[in-house]
Amino acid sequence: DIQMTQSPSSVSASVGERVTITCRASQYIDGWVGWYQQKPGRAPKLLIYDASSLHSGVPSRFSGSGSGTDYTLTISSLQPEDSATYYCQQSNILPTLFGQGTRVEIK
Amino acid sequence: QLQLQESGPGLVKPSETLSLTCTVSGGSVGSSIYHWAWIRQPPGKGLEWVGKIFYLGDSVYTPSLERRATIFIDASKNEFSLKLSAVTAADTGVYFCARLGAGLDYWGQGRLVTISS
Repeated sequence: DIQMTQSPSSVSASVGERVTITCRASQYIDGWVGWYQQKPGRAPKLLIYDASSLHSGVPSRFSGSGSGTDYTLTISSLQPEDSATYYCQQSNILPTLFGQGTRVEIK
Repeated sequence: QLQLQESGPGLVKPSETLSLTCTVSGGSVGSSIYHWAWIRQPPGKGLEWVGKIFYLGDSVYTPSLERRATIFIDASKNEFSLKLSAVTAADTGVYFCARLGAGLDYWGQGRLVTISS
């Protein structure tokens, strides 16, 4: 079965800092990767689809990159409202899988 | 604006069947473009894919739930539903319905289901 390994599990950064979250798949997944932001008690929100496409209405400080087995979500300049848990998701190989999540905290 | 809303019992007894419905407004579950999905989240844990369905009725499930889960679609009511049989405490969590296009782009607010006698 395919595995998705997301890292780090948590990160603490200051406002304005750059934050990078990585997902590694155990098999080639051809760019079918999404990234989601979830705040406590709320449904997740789509940030990035197809590895690097910004979903409508999402601030441009969020970006995605990667190919093959390795994918990255970058927040270029962390804002207070970005405090949340972030998940990657692959949908190229069944079963669809989410990463374990990364909690982003503001220092 | 597309909206999804989960409904169903918030408390289910062990060994019984969990039944949830997702009502879609502002769009059609009969669309040939999108799949419709269920995702769940145990308390304090991460997201788990349950399964998805296409408007023709084709459904796919995560292997660990395949024997117990059924997703079906009712285009006349513009809704899709999840049934999960023989539930245990491990099935407790928030259940989300969502639209799957290029990513899960619209989500319901989630329905907390507790498995307890």
